[in-house]
Formats: sequence, structure tokens, C-alpha cells
Amino acid sequence: EVQLAESGGDVIQPGGSLRLACAASAFTGSNNDMSWVRQAPGKGLEWVSVIVDGGRTYYADSVKGRFTISRDNSKNTLYLQMNSLRAEDTAVYYCVSRGGISGYFNYWGQGTLVTVSS
Amino acid sequence: DIQMTQSPSSLSASIGDRVTITCRASQDIRTYLAWFQQKPGKAPKSLIYGASNLQSGVPSKFSGSGSGTNFTLTISSLQPEDFATYYCQQYKSFPLTFGPGTKVDI
Repeated sequence: EVQLAESGGDVIQPGGSLRLACAASAFTGSNNDMSWVRQAPGKGLEWVSVIVDGGRTYYADSVKGRFTISRDNSKNTLYLQMNSLRAEDTAVYYCVSRGGISGYFNYWGQGTLVTVSS
Repeated sequence: DIQMTQSPSSLSASIGDRVTITCRASQDIRTYLAWFQQKPGKAPKSLIYGASNLQSGVPSKFSGSGSGTNFTLTISSLQPEDFATYYCQQYKSFPLTFGPGTKVDI
């Protein structure tokens, strides 16, 4: 079982930047793809980004051009660099591992809260 | 983008009830469908993938079915720990999309 622990959440002013990190117990198995999912207060789940084997990245339109996903396999750590933050980016951010050949979500971290407010 | 809808948006049930939640995709996603359970203040938990495959450790009272555009999640005998919000998600193509959730309460 993969264990995931996010960090880096904070209160940040609009227009600011923040980097989230997700430490994984291991990047092993048939699928090492990792994703970020967020949840605004009182709202549903929203997929943010994914990094797949080979380093290809994909983003939701709402964050494209502002957020960058990356990983350091030597540290078993996933990152989310968030720039030009907006009030609507306020949410709990979860990192999620993907499993199997098809890339279904399997393990979730506990989440880290990002609040964008002046 | 593939849109996901769920019905009902909420339901009230009793201990021991059989509960069924429906999820629909705006286009054919074959069986690239997952279900998640989330309790207040907690991270989501993965229940089902591939429309009908239980994640490791998930009790057999949960079952999923469907393919194409219509899917269901069934809880065979509702227990106190099952009161939560349930989300479906398609992972056939990016952007990955979730349904709006179904809240199951007493």
C-alpha cells in the first residue's frame, strides 16, 4: 500500500505563488502516475493535474498555464507549483496515486489546505 | 470533456437498507469508471475501479455495475459507517471528471 503525505498548504494573497509537496512511501508498481485533486470548501472533487510515466503532464483548463506538476523520483516526492493564485483556487489539495494499466485512482493523501485571500 | 452526472444528489436511508446510486457519462467511457466514498473532514477513499472491481480491503457489501454511459453503485446493507458522500469518476480521457456526488444520510 502506498502512503501519501501532502505538505505546503498555507494562506496566500491573490497573485501569489505556493508549492505543494506530496511524499510517497514508494513510487513502485506497474503504474507510477500521480495526480492532484482539489476540493473547494463545501464543494465536490475537481481533478487538477496528472504526471504520467515518461513525464508527460496534463492539466485542468482552470489551472493550465498557472500550475506545474513535477516529481522527484529520487525523493519519492510529487510537487505542484501554483502561480498567479486566485480566490477560486482555495481548496484542500489531495495527491492521489494511480494504479493498473488504465490508471485508476487508488491511494489518497490526507490533503493540505490552500487559502487564497487578502 | 466528458460530463458526469449522479442521481440522486442526496438520499435518506435506514440501517440495513439496500441503496443504489446512479452515475451517467456524457459519452461512452466503456468501464473506465471509479467510485469513491468521502466522510466529512476526511480524504476520499477509493471503493471501485473498472466499474465493478473492488479496491483492496473494500467490503463486498459494495458493488458496482455498468458500462458505456450508465453505471450504478450498490450498498447491499447500509451500516452506520456507510453514511457519507459518494462520487463517481471517469478516467477514460483527460480531463478526468467527477460526478457532483450523492450524499447518503440517515
